[in-house]
Amino acid sequence: KNEVEQSPQNLTAQEGEFITINCSYSVGISALHWLQQHPGGGIVSLFMLSSGKKKHGRLIATINIQEKHSSLHITASHPRDSAVYICAVRSIIGAQKLVFGQGTRLTINP
Amino acid sequence: DTAVSQTPKYLVTQMGNDKSIKCEQNLGHDTMYWYKQDSKKFLKIMFSYNNKELIINETVPNRFSPKSPDKAHLNLHINSLELGDSAVYFCASSPGLAGGTDTQYFGPGTRLTVL
Repeated sequence: KNEVEQSPQNLTAQEGEFITINCSYSVGISALHWLQQHPGGGIVSLFMLSSGKKKHGRLIATINIQEKHSSLHITASHPRDSAVYICAVRSIIGAQKLVFGQGTRLTINP
Repeated sequence: DTAVSQTPKYLVTQMGNDKSIKCEQNLGHDTMYWYKQDSKKFLKIMFSYNNKELIINETVPNRFSPKSPDKAHLNLHINSLELGDSAVYFCASSPGLAGGTDTQYFGPGTRLTVL
């Protein structure tokens, strides 16, 4: 079992819908990242969280350290939000490398 | 100006060849990384350098050798390429140490196909 699990693996929704992507992890962490990988392949960092909640435009990320769980929400979704969303955690042990989830492929239809 | 650049973008080569991928960042960051993304889109760390010093070396075959001539460059050389090396390789950089909590900035990726 991977240390970082995302759900769902695939998500298709209509434009305007509220989207939630979940990430659960099994290790102690110092930070959690949400990344977006565009259909063209480029990767962009969206958020880095160690507690609480962050908001950027229509994107909101939350983390619950006790439950080892984070969610990424997209409000008023748009076709341009279609991408793969990747959760990654920085473990507090070892070399503190980033460990990635398998990604959630989001498709927003017009 | 591109923050993290990689060359080449595409690389098609025969099994057994030796090839290099170059990465440069103009952000003044101290730490650089190489990641491999397999056909299932899983990203995995391969190496990390901080100020030209190797700090993360995952379980990667020793056919892969990173080289950091200065803190703005981290190149990846691969000897005796195998079919299983086919993947997209991403370079990234971050301001501080790999153990810190900095945002990472990714290059555009290099798609390597081994025939």
